Amino acid sequence: EPEVTQTPSHQVTQMGQEVILRCVPISNHLYFYWYRQILGQKVEFLVSFYNNEISEKSEIFDDQFSVERPDGSNFTLKIRSTKLEDSAMYFCASQQGGETQYFGPGTRLLVL
Amino acid sequence: AQSVTQPDIHITVSEGASLELRCNYSYGATPYLFWYVQSPGQGLQLLLKYFSGDTLVQGIKGFEAEFKRSQSSFNLRKPSVHWSDAAEYFCAVASGYSSASKIIFGSGTRLSIRP
Repeated sequence: EPEVTQTPSHQVTQMGQEVILRCVPISNHLYFYWYRQILGQKVEFLVSFYNNEISEKSEIFDDQFSVERPDGSNFTLKIRSTKLEDSAMYFCASQQGGETQYFGPGTRLLVL
Repeated sequence: AQSVTQPDIHITVSEGASLELRCNYSYGATPYLFWYVQSPGQGLQLLLKYFSGDTLVQGIKGFEAEFKRSQSSFNLRKPSVHWSDAAEYFCAVASGYSSASKIIFGSGTRLSIRP
């Protein structure tokens, strides 16, 4: 069964550094999402992406964040200058066009 | 605004016992509802979903959920839990009917299984 994949599974970075989290959505899906989950808290929406542009973003998704679908298969989340509070599990999700979003296994980001 | 409430932070049940996890939602119309499960350090797995039709929906791993419009609830049930069911369970609602609608999650219920 096709699935969403994410790399890396874990990333440790220094505060102020840039990180890029990568996702490979299911191949015929059209809608893409990033969510995050701070340890012990609920999953929060960050951004949705369709037709090569952002559809919606949350207040968390400020100017430090950006998304891109550079080559038609990958979907990336970039954090330009990481802060301690960016430490979280980041989930990518993709959707074909119906109602169900399929989630990847997540990238655990630790900012020191 | 849409929201999801899971009133139980942590539940412990004995192996073989029945389980019910509570979920209440706030939404202006008929919602799209989901239950996801997350094992420690793992991603989110879809257990089941409700969009329309029969209000009792069956999911994977023997789980079911019942949509009750009058109570704005979508409780998850399992007749007999197994030790492998220990995990975090999230109830969720889609924010709209169109694709590219974000999913809004509840705060989760952690399920522990007593041997």
